Amino acid sequence: EAGVAQSPRYKIIEKRQSVAFWCNPISGHATLYWYQQILGQGPKLLIQFQNNGVVDDSQLPKDRFSAERLKGVDSTLKIQPAKLEDSAVYLCASSSSWTGGVNEQFFGPGTRLTVL
Amino acid sequence: AQSVAQPEDQVNVAEGNPLTVKCTYSVSGNPYLFWYVQYPNRGLQFLLKYITGDNLVKGSYGFEAEFNKSQTSFHLKKPSALVSDSALYFCAVTGSNDYKLSFGAGTTVTVRA
Repeated sequence: EAGVAQSPRYKIIEKRQSVAFWCNPISGHATLYWYQQILGQGPKLLIQFQNNGVVDDSQLPKDRFSAERLKGVDSTLKIQPAKLEDSAVYLCASSSSWTGGVNEQFFGPGTRLTVL
Repeated sequence: AQSVAQPEDQVNVAEGNPLTVKCTYSVSGNPYLFWYVQYPNRGLQFLLKYITGDNLVKGSYGFEAEFNKSQTSFHLKKPSALVSDSALYFCAVTGSNDYKLSFGAGTTVTVRA
């Protein structure tokens, strides 16, 4: 079974530029998550999708971050414009169901973003 | 609000010795607890989870964890550590009243040969 795929693996941009990350979840997984992991901290949930609908985006900085999951499969996360504090690893995860929170999440390798 | 505390930033043990990584939690409702491991330049890998039932949970790579409701703890253990167990370990919790997974800050485990 193929795992969660993410691209690019690394990205370096200057502040105020735009950047986009792509995620392809495990086949058949209805739930998709985007996390931000700042160095020295645990992952923080940015947005959760169930199929192509948003379940939770309460911690997404909506003035600069956006995400979509068209057709309920692949997802993209965009930052526009980027700030220095956005430097982090962006992790995508998927699970077979979000109901009750009992199912483990499967994580991709992440995209390491450096904002200069 | 739910939260996870991993009181030790680093744990150092010799190969062959027991390994314990501590985790305490706070959650509304019944807790669902998870341990993940992260190797350099890789995503998090699931180790084990507690949902209900036996307080001692066995997982991948010889790891186990003990759920203690009275102490609100979910410590990760391995009877005999290997050098290859050196990694960053995260405890995570969600509750029956919330589906959102909250992670601790992580504990770096170093196993010396």
